[in-house]
Amino acid sequence: DGGITQSPKYLFRKEGQNVTLSCEQNLNHDAMYWYRQDPGQGLRLIYYSQIVNDFQKGDIAEGYSVSREKKESFPLTVTSAQKNPTAFYLCASKGGQARNTDTQYFGPGTRLTVL
Amino acid sequence: QKEVEQNSGPLSVPEGAIASLNCTYSDRVSQSFFWYRQYSGKSPELIMSIYSNGDKEDGRFTAQLNKASQYVSLLIRDSQPSDSATYLCAVNSGGYQKVTFGTGTKLQVIP
Repeated sequence: DGGITQSPKYLFRKEGQNVTLSCEQNLNHDAMYWYRQDPGQGLRLIYYSQIVNDFQKGDIAEGYSVSREKKESFPLTVTSAQKNPTAFYLCASKGGQARNTDTQYFGPGTRLTVL
Repeated sequence: QKEVEQNSGPLSVPEGAIASLNCTYSDRVSQSFFWYRQYSGKSPELIMSIYSNGDKEDGRFTAQLNKASQYVSLLIRDSQPSDSATYLCAVNSGGYQKVTFGTGTKLQVIP
């Protein structure tokens, strides 16, 4: 089945600890995205990548880092510099920019809680 | 000023009624418009995309786009309790980054 997988589903972080969230897609999509969602709020863009070995900061990149070494994978690291990381993290991918290819599809999400 | 605005709700409708969800956007060059459904604790799933002015129907769902007035709406006919969810409006103004999401409208369908 084609789709986007995220792991783990739930993640707990201690203060001062870095954690990495996994995102893998087998849709052959070029673009991948990371969003953060807080209760009652919309999706806020953290980072995005159009192609392998290239990525751009979104609106709330501080305290986060990413890599794009493979087309299928776009892991997100939440560093200790992110002061309020408790949130629902969503990975998405998109095939292109033309009509009918510019739809973003989402993975199941990772819920991160700081202890 | 928010770029994509939605009434947060909750919007309550009786089962079998038509639910009408609205979204306005500020960027006039917006090209692509999407409606997603998000159940509590789950990720958004695409309902429909619309690119041209007018109506687009898919089963019980109809998306309506009016670029001159900068609004897009979603109608759900014969609403079912399983339609109870938060509906997110998303607007693509072009390029890989510029997809902006509204904060969503919570819909409650009362049996």
